[in-house]
Amino acid sequence: DIQMTQSPSSLSASVGDRVTITCRASQSIGGFLNWYQQKAGNPPKVLIYGASNLQGGVTSRFSGSGSGTDFALTISRLQPEDFATYYCQQSFSFPWTFGQGTKVEIK
Amino acid sequence: QVQLQESGPGLVKPSETLSLTCTVSGDSISGFFWSWIRQSPGKGLEWIGYTYYRGSSTYNPSVQSRVTMSVDSPAKQFSLRLTSVTTADAAVYYCARGHRVDGGHYYFDYWGQGALVTVSS
Repeated sequence: DIQMTQSPSSLSASVGDRVTITCRASQSIGGFLNWYQQKAGNPPKVLIYGASNLQGGVTSRFSGSGSGTDFALTISRLQPEDFATYYCQQSFSFPWTFGQGTKVEIK
Repeated sequence: QVQLQESGPGLVKPSETLSLTCTVSGDSISGFFWSWIRQSPGKGLEWIGYTYYRGSSTYNPSVQSRVTMSVDSPAKQFSLRLTSVTTADAAVYYCARGHRVDGGHYYFDYWGQGALVTVSS
């Protein structure tokens, strides 16, 4: 299985901050990397697919980058509604696997 | 809009079979990969497998010997069956739609709200 490792596991940030979360795959996955946002009591919601493609209806504050083994999700100007847990997920090979999550909290 | 809703027992006894159904509304079931994903505090998010609308399935090796997924296209439902459950199978179970786009990218674009399954005698 491909292991997905996110860092940090949690972070504290202020409204308006620029935040970057990283995700590293245990082997090259090309650009087959998706990012999800999950708020308490709700299912995950896709933000980015294919490493850098913004899902329709998602604010352009979110952007994704990377290829191979190293990827990043950036939130350009953190808003109150962005406080949540973020997960990366690879769709390069079965079984599809998720990172352990990064919790973004209010400073 | 597309909506998915899980249904099934919330309590399953150890060694018995977990059965869940997901009902899809707002779109056709054709052309998509219908997945089950579970989430527990200890294991995080775990993809269990998917069933394609035409009936073929792909499973996570971690549960492959115990899992069966099926689809009922006319009813717009798909199902999960997991046998010989243990406490390690306790989790919130989500059904989700897998969408394949140009470039071969797959991602989950719609999810159910989740069904909490407890394993206890």
